[in-house]
Amino acid sequence: EVQLVESGGGLVQPGGSLRLSCAASGFTFSRYWMAWVRQAPGKGLEWVASIREDSIERYSVDSVTGRFTISRDNAQNSLYLEINSLRAEDTAVYYCARDGPGIVEFDYWGQGALVTVSS
Amino acid sequence: EIVMTQSPAILSVSPGEGATLSCRASQSVSSNLAWYQHKPGQAPRLLIYGASTRATGIPARFSGSGSGTEFTLTISSLQSEDFAVYYCQHYKNWPRTFGRGTTLEIK
Repeated sequence: EVQLVESGGGLVQPGGSLRLSCAASGFTFSRYWMAWVRQAPGKGLEWVASIREDSIERYSVDSVTGRFTISRDNAQNSLYLEINSLRAEDTAVYYCARDGPGIVEFDYWGQGALVTVSS
Repeated sequence: EIVMTQSPAILSVSPGEGATLSCRASQSVSSNLAWYQHKPGQAPRLLIYGASTRATGIPARFSGSGSGTEFTLTISSLQSEDFAVYYCQHYKNWPRTFGRGTTLEIK
């Protein structure tokens, strides 16, 4: 059974940093693109970043480029999101998602990790 | 950036009836279009990919159609568990973008 479990969320002051982790199991992690998607309170889903199986290609939404870094450790079956220079508008539930095989898009999601940016 | 526009924002339907949700892309995404169902406190669930292919385990009452810039998600004979927020998302290029969602509520 595919499982994605996020951790590392919490309350952070504006300008602070945080590292989110996603532990993957039930599939061969090293064979899939992975992604982070977030949902701010009362808002819709927003794609944040994606990373290729071998980490060579990485993409992120403009609003986080330079502040957020997506990475992975295939040996540990883990996905990460390093978040710096946090702003109030980064407050959201952050979901880890698997980018499915072929033309399948985000086929498995974690339950999410809440990040709250507030002083 | 490709902008995804969903309509209507809110759709009120009685259980047992059908529902049609629309999604429009600001430029062609070919068939690189997915639909998700999202309930409060839960992980989003992939319903449709490739504009019209049901994901694993998705009931046949969910169907997707369209290509290019116009897409439709049709749910026939709504069940109580179908009332949720539905999002379309393109994966034609970067950045990936979602529509703002359609809330399907019980009438």
